[in-house]
Amino acid sequence: DAGVIQSPRHEVTEMGQEVTLRCKPISGHNSLFWYRQTMMRGLELLIYFNNNVPIDDSGMPEDRFSAKMPNASFSTLKIQPSEPRDSAVYFCASRLGQEAEKLFFGSGTQLSVL
Amino acid sequence: KNQVEQSPQSLIILEGKNCTLQCNYTVSPFSNLRWYKQDTGRGPVSLTIMTFSENTKSNGRYTATLDADTKQSSLHITASQLSDSASYICVVSARNQGGKLIFGQGTELSVKP
Repeated sequence: DAGVIQSPRHEVTEMGQEVTLRCKPISGHNSLFWYRQTMMRGLELLIYFNNNVPIDDSGMPEDRFSAKMPNASFSTLKIQPSEPRDSAVYFCASRLGQEAEKLFFGSGTQLSVL
Repeated sequence: KNQVEQSPQSLIILEGKNCTLQCNYTVSPFSNLRWYKQDTGRGPVSLTIMTFSENTKSNGRYTATLDADTKQSSLHITASQLSDSASYICVVSARNQGGKLIFGQGTELSVKP
C-alpha cells in the first residue's frame, strides 16, 4: 500500500489567496484526520471524519478553514482567504477501526503564506 | 485540562549509546499512550501503543514503559544509530472521546557519530 498520500508537498501562496490541500487515505481506513504542525504549538487536530462524516471540527481555527470528505478515498482542506499565520505543515492521517488502532500519517504539505 | 509534557526538549548523544525520553500526562480517563517517531520533513510514524493494562512494550531497539498510576511513560532507545535522529512524540488518547489524541511537544534527539 502506498500509505496516506497528500498533495501538494509544498505550497507557497500570497496572503488572501485560496489554498486547497488534498489527501488520499489508506484504502479501507474509515477515519481521517487533518492536523497542523508548527514549532510553537506542535501537532494540533483540526478536524476528523468517521465514515466520511465530520465528527469533531472544534480544532478548525476559524471560518476561513473548511474540510470535506466527499467519499472514502478523498478529502480536502481549504483555506480561504489564507493569511501568513496559516503557514505550517498540514498532515492528513487515517486509521482503521477504533481508538486503540494505529494512526498512519501522510508526509504533509508545507504551506507558506507570504 | 488534558496535557502531555515531554522531557528533555532536546538531547544529543553519541552513536551506540542508550538514552531515555520521558513523558508525563494528565489525560483522563486514559485510553492508551503512543510513541511516534518523526523524521525531518516526514509525518510521524507509530513506534508503540500501550493500553492501561500494559506496562512495557518493545519494538526492536525501542522499549516503552507505562506507569498508569503515576501517569508517566518512558521511551528507551538501546544502542542508538544515526538514523534514530528524529523528534519523538508522546501521544495520549482519552477514553470515550472518539479517538482524539493529545500530543506532547516532542523530544528532538540527535545522534552524533
